[in-house]
Amino acid sequence: DGGITQSPKYLFRKEGQNVTLSCEQNLNHDAMYWYRQDPGQGLRLIYYSQIVNDFQKGDIAEGYSVSREKKESFPLTVTSAQKNPTAFYLCASSMSPWERVSEQYFGPGTRLTVT
Amino acid sequence: AQKVTQAQTEISVVEKEDVTLDCVYETRDTTYYLFWYKQPPSGELVFLIRRNSFDEQNEISGRYSWNFQKSTSSFNFTITASQVVDSAVYFCALSEARGNQFYFGTGTSLTVIP
Repeated sequence: DGGITQSPKYLFRKEGQNVTLSCEQNLNHDAMYWYRQDPGQGLRLIYYSQIVNDFQKGDIAEGYSVSREKKESFPLTVTSAQKNPTAFYLCASSMSPWERVSEQYFGPGTRLTVT
Repeated sequence: AQKVTQAQTEISVVEKEDVTLDCVYETRDTTYYLFWYKQPPSGELVFLIRRNSFDEQNEISGRYSWNFQKSTSSFNFTITASQVVDSAVYFCALSEARGNQFYFGTGTSLTVIP
């Protein structure tokens, strides 16, 4: 089955540690996205990538980093510089928006708790 | 500025009632795209519908229907004969012509009471 996988579902880290969230898709989508969701605030875009080896900052990129070495993979690192990292993180993918603006498909999310 | 506004934070209805979720958007582009997503308690967003700005026809899919009105910049979502399984958070989203970014509303939490 085609889809997006994110692992793990729940992640716990101590303050000051970097942590990497994985996102893999087998939909052959060019574009991938990372969102952060906090209660009552909807989804906010952290980073997005439209092709391999290229990515752009979203609205709240500070304290986060990404890489896009393969079409299928778009890992997100939450660094110790991120002041409030505890949140629900969602990865998404879509066809290239240069071809057609299409719906984004989402993974199941990773709930990160930093104490 | 908020591009997508979902003024209803929480709605509760009794099973079998109809319910409408409001979505108002703001854009200067003449070409844009609107979406609705459902987020059940499991957390994964499920795509429901995509609509482009040139297609104002209303759409019906089973118990779901969508009313797109450019004159009022609204893209409302109605669930007919609601069921407990409809309980979720529903998000409206806008993508402008370049399509680089989706703008999500803050969501409406729907609870259907049996």
